[in-house]
Amino acid sequence: GAGVSQSPSNKVTEKGKDVELRCDPISGHTALYWYRQRLGQGLEFLIYFQGNSAPDKSGLPSDRFSAERTGESVSTLTIQRTQQEDSAVYLCASSPNRGNEKLFFGSGTQLSVL
Amino acid sequence: GESVGLHLPTLSVQEGDNSIINCAYSNSASDYFIWYKQESGKGPQFIIDIRSNMDKRQGQRVTVLLNKTVKHLSLQIAATQPGDSAVYFCAERGHNQGGKLIFGQGTELSVKP
Repeated sequence: GAGVSQSPSNKVTEKGKDVELRCDPISGHTALYWYRQRLGQGLEFLIYFQGNSAPDKSGLPSDRFSAERTGESVSTLTIQRTQQEDSAVYLCASSPNRGNEKLFFGSGTQLSVL
Repeated sequence: GESVGLHLPTLSVQEGDNSIINCAYSNSASDYFIWYKQESGKGPQFIIDIRSNMDKRQGQRVTVLLNKTVKHLSLQIAATQPGDSAVYFCAERGHNQGGKLIFGQGTELSVKP
């Protein structure tokens, strides 16, 4: 499809397990963002990739969180040793280029840590 | 991570009325602002944006007002429709923050038929 695709749409895991969340941005979009949204709350910035520049990781809440991006395509957000407070919707967004903040969001991955 | 708010404030309006959703931002160096709409179970969708060298911008049924003196942003929706029911977020980009958008708390708009 033409939009941002995230998988899985839902993930249930046990406390202490690792999870990987995937984002396929819109083709040609150089900027990619990850946000976290807890139930009934706003969007919390996690990490931002722009082209070949070093990513802005300033929003990652702990060293259990990491993200990678392959070139200007797919990105993976990894959460190690998941905790119950990690339960949230994880949203990915992409935009055409630096300076264009009209982000196109995916539908998110609902993560539930039991 | 960057901060998000507590539970969402809500705004309830009658169909056909105008809606005004407010947002206070914190960074006086922010140079770009944007409004998103999020329907239940979906990702946010772009509505309208404004740069700091403007104080008003109009779209289709929507107007964004920017008051830099008091660091306040508002979204006006004319003739609100049931399909406008959603959570609305403002976001700001700080100058020299590398394009990172920081989102506000969000306001839930409920339109009564």
